Amino acid sequence: AQSVAQPEDQVNVAEGNPLTVKCTYSVSGNPYLFWYVQYPNRGLQFLLKYITGDNLVKGSYGFEAEFNKSQTSFHLKKPSALVSDSALYFCAVRESGLTGGGNKLTFGTGTQLKVEL
Amino acid sequence: DAGITQSPRYKITETGRQVTLMCHQTWSHSYMFWYRQDLGHGLRLIYYSAAADITDKGEVPDGYVVSRSKTENFPLTLESATRSQTSVYFCASSEPPGLAGGTRGEQYFGPGTRLTVT
Repeated sequence: AQSVAQPEDQVNVAEGNPLTVKCTYSVSGNPYLFWYVQYPNRGLQFLLKYITGDNLVKGSYGFEAEFNKSQTSFHLKKPSALVSDSALYFCAVRESGLTGGGNKLTFGTGTQLKVEL
Repeated sequence: DAGITQSPRYKITETGRQVTLMCHQTWSHSYMFWYRQDLGHGLRLIYYSAAADITDKGEVPDGYVVSRSKTENFPLTLESATRSQTSVYFCASSEPPGLAGGTRGEQYFGPGTRLTVT
């Protein structure tokens, strides 16, 4: 079975400072990993994904994520936070080897990011 | 470019009533999904569909029914609503993962339906 853990319910950071939102995963094979963002009263928006290759993945709005296989982690990062980045962030995983009934994502419980002036 | 839409956006219903949530996508994605979002649980998969007339259960299917007669539509029905089904429901769609998992597979989400069962 696949699972995702987001250990922090909320992360607070000052505008202009770097931010990190943590995610660890568990799958039996190789993982496909995703980050999504949710603004109030909106659906989830895709930010970035790791499929294979470079461990540092760049995504939308200046976000990036670092895949670490030995630590089974996929932390979301941004060098300089903006107030407009305040939102709910979800990490998701699926096993890469699935076919047929695959493409089922397992989501973490979400991390609320609050960026303050 | 409408993308993926859900209706209604807000619904209040009484315990025991049947209610159907609609989902429509314009991308011709073969995969469609229904999730519910609850505080402390994140998103949990209710049902998914790999193609028209092919559906399968997710993590929390009890009390829900789906159908998919057309690729673009994936309605979710609560046959007899209960208070525990009060939630925000999201529909999503994606391209197929392809052989050996593929290189795509990100899901695209609708705006959600906030359902309250009284």
